[in-house]
Amino acid sequence: EVQLVESGGGLVKPGGSLRLSCAASAFTFTNAWLSWVRQAPGKGLEWVGRIKKKTDGETTDYAAPVKGRFTISRDDSNNTLYLQMNSLKTEDTAVYYCTSYYYDGSAYSHWGQGTLVTVSS
Amino acid sequence: QSVLTQPPSASGTPGQRVTISCSGSSSNIGSNYVYWYQQLPGTAPQLLIYRNNQRPSGVPDRFSGSKSGTSASLAISGLRSEDEADYYCAAWDDSLSVRVFGGGTKLTVL
Repeated sequence: EVQLVESGGGLVKPGGSLRLSCAASAFTFTNAWLSWVRQAPGKGLEWVGRIKKKTDGETTDYAAPVKGRFTISRDDSNNTLYLQMNSLKTEDTAVYYCTSYYYDGSAYSHWGQGTLVTVSS
Repeated sequence: QSVLTQPPSASGTPGQRVTISCSGSSSNIGSNYVYWYQQLPGTAPQLLIYRNNQRPSGVPDRFSGSKSGTSASLAISGLRSEDEADYYCAAWDDSLSVRVFGGGTKLTVL
């Protein structure tokens, strides 16, 4: 069974930093595009950013509110996705989900259970 | 204010057919695939429809997607109580170079 497990969430003060990790198992991690999506309490889904697979250049894209503050990276040798979050703001408070997407004629998509990040003084 | 517009709520009775709309523009829905996600209460979202109208393995054929121009729709036939959830549409936006989500539609099964 495919699993994505996030970790690293917690309470951080405004201006602080946090690094989230997402460990993947039981699927072709290296062939997947990986993303972070967040959900503020009681709100809808918000795309944070993505990283393409290595053969697609491993390029990254970010949502405007996090561009320049957040960095997405991946370690295919360890099947792990990262989200480095710097200069955190109160409005970054949310549950952060890692997601994978792989298409080979059919689509395979998986989401982690989410990790809560709270930015508060 | 979401780039993709969905009705905030929808409802139906068991066995009914309901549709949820998603309205965008030429830079997102008009030129890219649409995806639909289901988020059951207290759980992570899961992919329901990809590439406008394709179902991942395991998704019942009661769920179907369609796209026309700059709008898309999700239809659920034979409504069941377990379909009560939040539904989100999403697409890539070429102008913004980001993925955009709709604001979500809360489906209530009466």
